[in-house]
Amino acid sequence: NAGVTQTPKFRVLKTGQSMTLLCAQDMNHEYMYWYRQDPGMGLRLIHYSVGEGTTAKGEVPDGYNVSRLKKQNFLLGLESAAPSQTSVYFCASSYASGGKYNEQFFGPGTRLTVL
Amino acid sequence: EDQVTQSPEALRLQEGESSSLNCSYTVSGLRGLFWYRQDPGKGPEFLFTLYSAGEEKEKERLKATLTKKESFLHITAPKPEDSATYLCAVRSFYGGATNKLIFGTGTLLAVQP
Repeated sequence: NAGVTQTPKFRVLKTGQSMTLLCAQDMNHEYMYWYRQDPGMGLRLIHYSVGEGTTAKGEVPDGYNVSRLKKQNFLLGLESAAPSQTSVYFCASSYASGGKYNEQFFGPGTRLTVL
Repeated sequence: EDQVTQSPEALRLQEGESSSLNCSYTVSGLRGLFWYRQDPGKGPEFLFTLYSAGEEKEKERLKATLTKKESFLHITAPKPEDSATYLCAVRSFYGGATNKLIFGTGTLLAVQP
C-alpha cells in the first residue's frame, strides 16, 4: 500500500504559467481534499471531492481548479500561476463520513514556488 | 465561526522533561477532534481522534485528552525523536457530511538530548 502519493514533489513556475498537481490514493477512499500550508496560516482547504465526478470549493478556492475523473485520482490545476500561490500543497483522503474511523490520510506534499 | 487555536507556538524541552500542548476550539457541534504529527518536509501523520468530553487516548509517550472547550496533548518523558510540529483539527456538525477539518497553526516541539 502506497497510501497517498503526490506528483511532483517540487516545482518552480514563472508567473502566468500553468501546471497540474496529481494526487493518487490506493485505499479506496471516497473523499479527497487539497490543502495549502503557509507559515503561520495552518492548513487551509482549497477544494474537495466526496466522490468520483464531484468537486466542491473549500476555504481558499480562487485561482485553482480540480477534477476527479477517477475515484483514486484528484487533480489540482493552476491556470495562471501567481506569486501568492507559492506554498506547500497537500492532498488527503478519507472514508466517507458517518463512521468514527474516518481520519484523513495525507500525502507527502508538493513544494511550489512561483517567481 | 469555527476556530482552532493552539498554544504555545513553539516549545523547547529537555529530554525527559514532561509537558503539555494545548488546543482550544470553538465549533458548532463537535464531531471529532484530531491530533496529527508533522515532521519537516513531510505530510501530517494521524495520531488520535477524540469524540466526547472526558475521552482520553494514549500512544507511547503521548496522551490526548478532551474537554468541552479544549484538548491537551501530554508528552511524558519526551525523547529527541518526538521533535515535530503537532497539529490539532476539529470536525464540526456542519462539516460532518463532507468530513471537512479545520486546522490550528500547530505547536513546534523541539526536544533536546
